[in-house]
Amino acid sequence: KAGVTQTPRYLIKTRGQQVTLSCSPISGHRSVSWYQQTPGQGLQFLFEYFSETQRNKGNFPGRFSGRQFSNSRSEMNVSTLELGDSALYLCASSLTPSGRDPYEQYFGPGTRLTVT
Amino acid sequence: DAKTTQPNSMESNEEEPVHLPCNHSTISGTDYIHWYRQLPSQGPEYVIHGLTSNVNNRMASLAIAEDRKSSTLILHRATLRDAAVYYCILSTSGTYKYIFGTGTRLKVLA
Repeated sequence: KAGVTQTPRYLIKTRGQQVTLSCSPISGHRSVSWYQQTPGQGLQFLFEYFSETQRNKGNFPGRFSGRQFSNSRSEMNVSTLELGDSALYLCASSLTPSGRDPYEQYFGPGTRLTVT
Repeated sequence: DAKTTQPNSMESNEEEPVHLPCNHSTISGTDYIHWYRQLPSQGPEYVIHGLTSNVNNRMASLAIAEDRKSSTLILHRATLRDAAVYYCILSTSGTYKYIFGTGTRLKVLA
């Protein structure tokens, strides 16, 4: 079974631009979560989608948004990029949504975003 | 949100058992305890999770204190491939957010 795939793997953007990252979950998984990882803040939860609905959202500004499609694929968008948005963005999929056991997340390799 | 506390780093010799501790004194009754690990240049990888009873799987064992305020991930025989950052996480009931701590960087010595 193919794992979680994220595209692109690397991205360089300029301040003020916007970016869209894509995540394809493991086949059959309907829950997709997004995380931001930086050396200073570690792994931080962005949001979770299940069956095209956002279930949870972390403490990030409104510039960070996401959506999930009927095939469970998810996209994450960051508008008006800032230097501090440079990070590894990780996507994770799960068969069940959070709060429902077993909640095992399978992470993709991440998209490395650099904002200059 | 309930938080976890882990030592920043630990060392172990190859083929010896490793006990990675985690403190979660503010855990609530329905919070699950999860462990993930992140190898260099990879996304985190699920290791094990539990609620109240000790759990075993092919990768590790999870020992949960009776009062659930702490837990220990046990790697029975550390290998060089086990060198990673290990995260202890609570799935916070109600908000269902995964709150990752800073993790423990495990170094395995040959």
